[in-house]
Order: sequence, then C-alpha cells, then structure tokens
Amino acid sequence: DAGITQSPRHKVTETGTPVTLRCHQTENHRYMYWYRQDPGHGLRLIHYSYGVKDTDKGEVSDGYSVSRSKTEDFLLTLESATSSQTSVYFCAISESNRGEGYTFGSGTRLTVV
Amino acid sequence: GENVEQHPSTLSVQEGDSAVIKCTYSDSASNYFPWYKQELGKGPQLIIDIRSNVGEKKDQRIAVTLNKTAKHFSLHITETQPEDSAVYFCAPTDSWGKLQFGAGTQVVVTP
Repeated sequence: DAGITQSPRHKVTETGTPVTLRCHQTENHRYMYWYRQDPGHGLRLIHYSYGVKDTDKGEVSDGYSVSRSKTEDFLLTLESATSSQTSVYFCAISESNRGEGYTFGSGTRLTVV
Repeated sequence: GENVEQHPSTLSVQEGDSAVIKCTYSDSASNYFPWYKQELGKGPQLIIDIRSNVGEKKDQRIAVTLNKTAKHFSLHITETQPEDSAVYFCAPTDSWGKLQFGAGTQVVVTP
C-alpha cells in the first residue's frame, strides 16, 4: 500500500524469543496503529500512537510493547513470543483520531513455533 | 470488537445479484460507520463510510444505510461482479474514536 510498508512480510520464530515488527510511513501522519487479525475476531487493536513517544494500549496489549522514536516508524515488540501470538499483524496510519482515513499496510504473518 | 456483530459470516451470490451485509453495534457514542474490503494477502481498504448525521450514502454499485436508533448499518452491493469476492468488515468507532471491527463477512460471487 502506498505510503506504508511493513517488515518483514513473513516470520517464523521460536517460543520465548523476542520479535520486532516494523511499520514505516512516508505520509507524515500523526496517528499509527498496530492490529492483529485472527479468524473469527476481525482486527483487534494492540497499541496505537498519537505522536512521537506518545503511545497507548488497545484492547489486546498484553505481551506486546511499542515504540515510536520518529514520526515515520512505529515498532511492535513481542518480548517473549508465545504460540497464542501467531497471527497476521497489520499496521495502519491516519491523519485524524476520529476513525476516518485509515490506510493499512499489507501485513506481517508471524508464526510462533 | 466484542460490541460489534456482523451478519452473515459468509455470503454466496450469483453474479449480477445483490448482496447485503448487516452490522449491529452497542456503543451509543459511535458516530462514524465505515466498511472495509479485504482481498487475499492484503490489508483492509476503505470502500464506503457514513457519519451519524446521514442516513444513506451511495457510491456507484455500493451503498451504506444507517439506522442509529436501532444501532445498525448495512452494506449494499448491487450488480455483483467476481471482483467483489473478498472479506468485508464493518468498523464503527467507539467513544474514543477508535475503530471496532466486526468479525468479517466472506463474500463469494459465482459466475
């Protein structure tokens, strides 16, 4: 998707290892989000950011941390990966905090074995 | 989200027929009602949205209708085509302006 890239696209990791996913934007949008997508649950918000160094928890934040040291990058870290964190992770960006204008990345498929 | 229900979970339609997906929410503070389309291997993409001061919005073959009193809104696709095959999500905002996604509807359009 134009203006937002996620890396890596696929990753397999072992239980107990740390994992960092990266979201990079070129749109200079203030708001950035991390979601996970699992069958039967749609997308659920993990963490979001409303500016550099300003982050907050979403509905499924346990086991995850985030950092945003510059406008364009939002990192999601699994401190010690578990099998329940096997999922597809999506990053999104927006200019508004009213729900409008979300642009999603193409996702990262993470498998924890 | 837990407070958003989407029906049906799967929908199979003949090409050229219409498709309707319904989304029910519980947060009375919701004031923005988008529908997203997700194709295989891609992220969700906004296809149509409506704000709470409008009852209906149409964009070519797709439309969204809102009944705020009953707390539901629907996606209507007319003259369906094979490229409409995808997963569709409703995502009304919560009281903090965050999107709450439904579980999704798999739409299959058969030629």
